[in-house]
Amino acid sequence: GENVEQHPSTLSVQEGDSAVIKCTYSDSASNYFPWYKQELGKRPQLIIDIRSNVGEKKDQRIAVTLNKTAKHFSLHITETQPEDSAVYFCALRESSSASKIIFGSGTRLSIRP
Amino acid sequence: EAQVTQNPRYLITVTGKKLTVTCSQNMNHEYMSWYRQDPGLGLRQIYYSMNVEVTDKGDVPEGYKVSRKEKRNFPLILESPSPNQTSLYFCASSLYRVDSPLHFGNGTRLTVT
Repeated sequence: GENVEQHPSTLSVQEGDSAVIKCTYSDSASNYFPWYKQELGKRPQLIIDIRSNVGEKKDQRIAVTLNKTAKHFSLHITETQPEDSAVYFCALRESSSASKIIFGSGTRLSIRP
Repeated sequence: EAQVTQNPRYLITVTGKKLTVTCSQNMNHEYMSWYRQDPGLGLRQIYYSMNVEVTDKGDVPEGYKVSRKEKRNFPLILESPSPNQTSLYFCASSLYRVDSPLHFGNGTRLTVT
């Protein structure tokens, strides 16, 4: 079945610097790629998503890029702030149906003051 | 307010004592799903439902049951809980569409002794 690999598992960056998290997948027909943020003790919440017909999407300090040929997509956070500290999950919805949503294993991002 | 409501938030039980975790959504979503979250393993899908009376296994269904008698409710049943089912559980819902993001409940932390 489909598999999503997420790297790195932990990431520590200086406040104000950028952070990049990458996910690779195997099913070339996958066409929806959301990213979720989970703050400590809270539920995962969608922060940005991208469809396969788009190469990049931005929302203020957050951007997602998709490379369908290489089968990877990445989350970029610029000008990091303390409130960006959280666990981030990439995901995709299987193309064969809308039924299965597969998550990466998560990246714990820490912002150093 | 649009939301997914899970109960209880915390549950401590003993091996073999049947329990049910409830999940309800008020967004008229067709799709509902249960995940368990364990350190280093991300979010793994237990069961999902595409609509009323339609359910299917996810990646880790052993030891769990679900039912979908009404569109808004999707309870998770552990007939005979075991210690390896100690975990953080999330219910989620979405429209049944490939590009529809998940909305998560607040989670249920289950401990089985």
